[in-house]
Amino acid sequence: QVTLRESGPALVKPTQTLTLTCTFSGFSLSTSGMCVSWIRQPPGKALEWLALIDWDDSKYYSTSLKTRLTISKDTSKNQVVLTMTNMDPVDTATYYCARFYFGSGASRLFDYWGQGTLVTVSS
Amino acid sequence: DIQMTQSPSSLSASVGDRVTITCRASQTISNYLNWYQQKPGKAPELLIYAASSLQSGVPSRFSGSGSGTDFTLTISSLQPEDFASYYCQQSHTTPPWTFGQGTKVEVK
Repeated sequence: QVTLRESGPALVKPTQTLTLTCTFSGFSLSTSGMCVSWIRQPPGKALEWLALIDWDDSKYYSTSLKTRLTISKDTSKNQVVLTMTNMDPVDTATYYCARFYFGSGASRLFDYWGQGTLVTVSS
Repeated sequence: DIQMTQSPSSLSASVGDRVTITCRASQTISNYLNWYQQKPGKAPELLIYAASSLQSGVPSRFSGSGSGTDFTLTISSLQPEDFASYYCQQSHTTPPWTFGQGTKVEVK
């Protein structure tokens, strides 16, 4: 059974750095095709893809946010960590981690999601 | 980056209606297109992958079609549990991945 769970602060101040942890089970991030990604959703708005780390430790970032994001993994702990620097109130959102599977052909998909964690940026 | 444009942004429908949502990519993405359903306060759930493949456990009233730049999600007979938001997402070549802006299906 695949599960993912996000953890981190519910409230951060402007200019601070946000650190979120995704703890997962039911799969290994060292298995070919397995990836973990972060996606966020401001209240009442659309989903926004942020970052992805794959089984080979390749890392990919949102073009608009790449200067502020760092994604890393600890395979032994089954954890993926996202840091976002210089937080601003517009970064207030629910942050999700999700498993991304690079399957055969066009089978590239987010098949399992965490429940999400709401992060509010306010002084 | 590849931009994904969904239409409409919202629609009102009744139980039993046939509902169609479209998604257009800013460049060709072959069939690297997925659809997700999201209910309020919940994480998105995968409905359709590779443009037309139904995810395991998803009711057969959901279907997807299209290739290249134009894609469609169809609900053949809307059920009460289908009132939700729907998002397309492209996964062509390598990231960055992008989502559409969403379509909210509301009760008429």
